[in-house]
Amino acid sequence: DTEVTQTPKHLVMGMTNKKSLKCEQHMGHRAMYWYKQKAKKPPELMFVYSYEKLSINESVPSRFSPECPNSSLLNLHLHALQPEDSALYLCASSQGTLAPYEQYFGPGTRLTVT
Amino acid sequence: GNSVTQMEGPVTLSEEAFLTINCTYTATGYPSLFWYVQYPGEGLQLLLKATKADDKGSNKGFEATYRKETTSFHLEKGSVQVSDSAVYFCALSEGRGSTLGRLYFGRGTQLTVWP
Repeated sequence: DTEVTQTPKHLVMGMTNKKSLKCEQHMGHRAMYWYKQKAKKPPELMFVYSYEKLSINESVPSRFSPECPNSSLLNLHLHALQPEDSALYLCASSQGTLAPYEQYFGPGTRLTVT
Repeated sequence: GNSVTQMEGPVTLSEEAFLTINCTYTATGYPSLFWYVQYPGEGLQLLLKATKADDKGSNKGFEATYRKETTSFHLEKGSVQVSDSAVYFCALSEGRGSTLGRLYFGRGTQLTVWP
């Protein structure tokens, strides 16, 4: 099973709201990732967790706050977002961050900020 | 630094035509190479991979060979179907043993196949 699940599938939020995106995998992977993808563009890396510790933060604004409660779960907490943050948010996982590795992606959460 | 260059799209083909999507890369060391496919409204799916020079990745009729001498990883399929319509991303990861969890993506190539 190479499934990564993400909830919700769609999310509409106002600029003053607080919401969270959730990602789950049961493949025993120890690395998890958040990406942001704008239309017709490749995914952009936001955060990497390795063994439940944040290992990469690509200078993402603090209105995005990641959390990795355990090795199977990854959350992205959203607060005071801007309309330009509207995008597809993808979660991915891999066995580890030690290359060579492949990343498995979830279906994404389509976020609209109004 | 690491980077991936993909041919510009969109690519439009008739069903059963031959497909090539060009991908070249720049990397330090010996990267692993991947092709991902994204169908409309979905996430990325790993299509195939190659981890060392001269490796050929293959899946669902798609093939790509890791060519170190030309720093290329071109995607090919002998006979495309309407269901292959999607965006295809070439990507590389750091070389063997690197602990950096990062994929470098090309810009993506939109493929549309007409019946």
